[in-house]
Amino acid sequence: QQQVKQSPQSLIVQKGGISIINCAYENTAFDYFPWYQQFPGKGPALLIAIRPDVSEKKEGRFTISFNKSAKQFSLHIMDSQPGDSATYFCAATDRGSTLGRLYFGRGTQLTVWP
Amino acid sequence: EPEVTQTPSHQVTQMGQEVILRCVPISNHLYFYWYRQILGQKVEFLVSFYNNEISEKSEIFDDQFSVERPDGSNFTLKIRSTKLEDSAMYFCASRSTGVYEQYFGPGTRLTVT
Repeated sequence: QQQVKQSPQSLIVQKGGISIINCAYENTAFDYFPWYQQFPGKGPALLIAIRPDVSEKKEGRFTISFNKSAKQFSLHIMDSQPGDSATYFCAATDRGSTLGRLYFGRGTQLTVWP
Repeated sequence: EPEVTQTPSHQVTQMGQEVILRCVPISNHLYFYWYRQILGQKVEFLVSFYNNEISEKSEIFDDQFSVERPDGSNFTLKIRSTKLEDSAMYFCASRSTGVYEQYFGPGTRLTVT
C-alpha cells in the first residue's frame, strides 16, 4: 500500500518559472509533512515542512500548500533556478503513534533549464 | 553546522558476507533511523531506535538485519548474510527530542556481488 503518492515523476521548467509538485496521502493520522531535496549521490536534505494546523508555509522561494480536507499537499518553487535541479521527495508521518517513521513519495526529478 | 556522518561511503561485498554500516548521528539527538534507497526508487524506512532499543521496524528489516549503538556516538546497521537485493544506498538519520525534523547522512552505497 502506497501511503504517499507523488506526482509528477519528472518535471522540466524554464529558469524563472514555477515548479509545482503534488502529493496525496491516505492516512488521516499523518500530521507532519516534510519535503526533502536530494542531489545525485547525496542524502536527502530537509527543505521545508508543514503541520496540518496551517494551510501554507513559505520559506524563501519554497512554499508548501496544504489541503487537509483533500488530503493533499504541494511544493511550489518560485523563480526556479538551475541549481534547484534535483529530486524532490514528499513525506509524511504520524507523530503520535511512532517515533516519526517517514513514509516517502516516489520522488520528482526536477530539471530547470537555463 | 552539525551533520550526520556515515562510513564507508561505498562498500562492495560478496553475497553471503556480513557488512556493518556505521553512522555518527548529530550529537544531541536521541532518535535514530535507518532507511534505504534502491537505485532510482523511493526512500524506504528500515528501523527506528530510541533508548537503546528498536522502536519500530519495517517488513524489510528481517532477521538478517540488526542495529546497535555500541557507544555514545556510533549507530550501526549490520547485515549478517548479504543478498544481491540488499544492494542499495543506506541512509542513517537522526532527530532531537520534541521536534520531528529528521536529518539524513550522505549514505553508504552497498554493492553486493
